[in-house]
Amino acid sequence: QKEVEQDPGPLSVPEGAIVSLNCTYSNSAFQYFMWYRQYSRKGPELLMYTYSSGNKEDGRFTAQVDKSSKYISLFIRDSQPSDSATYLCAMGNTDKLIFGTGTRLQVFP
Amino acid sequence: DSGVTQTPKHLITATGQRVTLRCSPRSGDLSVYWYQQSLDQGLQFLIQYYNGEERAKGNILERFSAQQFPDLHSELNLSSLELGDSALYFCASSASGTLYNEQFFGPGTRLTVL
Repeated sequence: QKEVEQDPGPLSVPEGAIVSLNCTYSNSAFQYFMWYRQYSRKGPELLMYTYSSGNKEDGRFTAQVDKSSKYISLFIRDSQPSDSATYLCAMGNTDKLIFGTGTRLQVFP
Repeated sequence: DSGVTQTPKHLITATGQRVTLRCSPRSGDLSVYWYQQSLDQGLQFLIQYYNGEERAKGNILERFSAQQFPDLHSELNLSSLELGDSALYFCASSASGTLYNEQFFGPGTRLTVL
């Protein structure tokens, strides 16, 4: 079993929809949780960073971490065609960093 | 543009060969990270260097090695190449020495092993 599981999608939604992206993990020692966005033929770029449990909001993006369930989520409100990309969760601690395989999101006009 | 540069953009080689990938970090960043991205394995952390010293190691094969030079650029050496080494190789940099801070990724080098 992988330490981090992420549904590969693709997830196809209409413009304006609320998108929910999720990852589960098995290592209870993970303390740092991140979401990266990767456009086609580009390197990943950091979207959200959270330490331990809780919520964090940045514009249309909200990251949630539930350490008791070992589950993290990224919500995108009012999704736009420009949000079409692959979203990678990443998590770890001081000496380990694991990425999910990514969920491909398509937002159609 | 993240400010991280990688050369070459594409590399095609044969099994058993050795290649070197090069990365220049953002100005002022002391850490360089190397990643391998393949369709079946996703993004895998390979190794991190901080100011010339190895800082953290991930799933790096013994056939692979890296170093960071005094001018902070880094090279990833891949030897005895196998078909399964075909992948995108990313370099990232950051100002911090930790694994979990914001990393800025380069555009990647696509390696094809025939």
